[in-house]
Amino acid sequence: RKEVEQDPGPFNVPEGATVAFNCTYSNSASQSFFWYRQDCRKEPKLLMSVYSSGNEDGRFTAQLNRASQYISLLIRDSKLSDSATYLCVVGTGNTGKLIFGQGTTLQVKP
Amino acid sequence: DAGITQSPRHKVTETGTPVTLRCHQTENHRYMYWYRQDPGHGLRLIHYSYGVKDTDKGEVSDGYSVSRSKTEDFLLTLESATSSQTSVYFCAISDMGPNQPQHFGDGTRLSIL
Repeated sequence: RKEVEQDPGPFNVPEGATVAFNCTYSNSASQSFFWYRQDCRKEPKLLMSVYSSGNEDGRFTAQLNRASQYISLLIRDSKLSDSATYLCVVGTGNTGKLIFGQGTTLQVKP
Repeated sequence: DAGITQSPRHKVTETGTPVTLRCHQTENHRYMYWYRQDPGHGLRLIHYSYGVKDTDKGEVSDGYSVSRSKTEDFLLTLESATSSQTSVYFCAISDMGPNQPQHFGDGTRLSIL
C-alpha cells in the first residue's frame, strides 16, 4: 500500500464547476499536510497547507480528517487556469521529509 | 518565488559517464532535498541534507551521492549514469520547523542514452 494515495483522474469538468479531490495517507503519526499544484513540465508549487480545523483560500478549501486519515481539496467555480495536477503531500517525523502522492489531474474545459 | 537555482536545466549524456547536478539557494534554509520524478511514481526522495556536511539517504538513493560543503549549495552526483536514471530532478529547500512546506527549483531534465 502506498503511503499517500490519490485518484490519478483525470477529472474533466466544465468551467464554473465545483470539483473535489480526496487523498488518503497510511501513517497515523503524520504531522503536516499540504496540497501542491504542478503544471505540465514545471516544478510543484505550494497551493495551501491543510490544518485540522480546515482552511480556505479564495475558491479553494482544504479539509483534514485525522480519524479517517484523509485530506480533501475542494475547488469552487473552476477556471481554465486551474487545469493542472494536484499533489497531496504528507509530512511525518521531525526530519522535514515529505511523502508525495502521485497526483490528481484536473482538466477544466470551456 | 524562493531563490532556488538548479543547473543545468537540461542535460543529455551517455551511459557510464559521471553527472553532477547543482542546486543553489539564496534563502539560507537549513534543509535541502533532491527528488526525482517519473511517470507512475510521482516525486521520490533521493537524498537530503539537514546542514553543512550533514546528509542522509532517501528512498531511492542507490547510484547517487550528494555533498553539501556550503549552506547554499547541494550537489547530486551520478557516479556512473545508467538509463534508469533518466528522469526529471528537482531540488527543494525548507526552513525547517513544525509543519513547514518545501519549495522547489525549476528542475533538471536528464536523459541518459
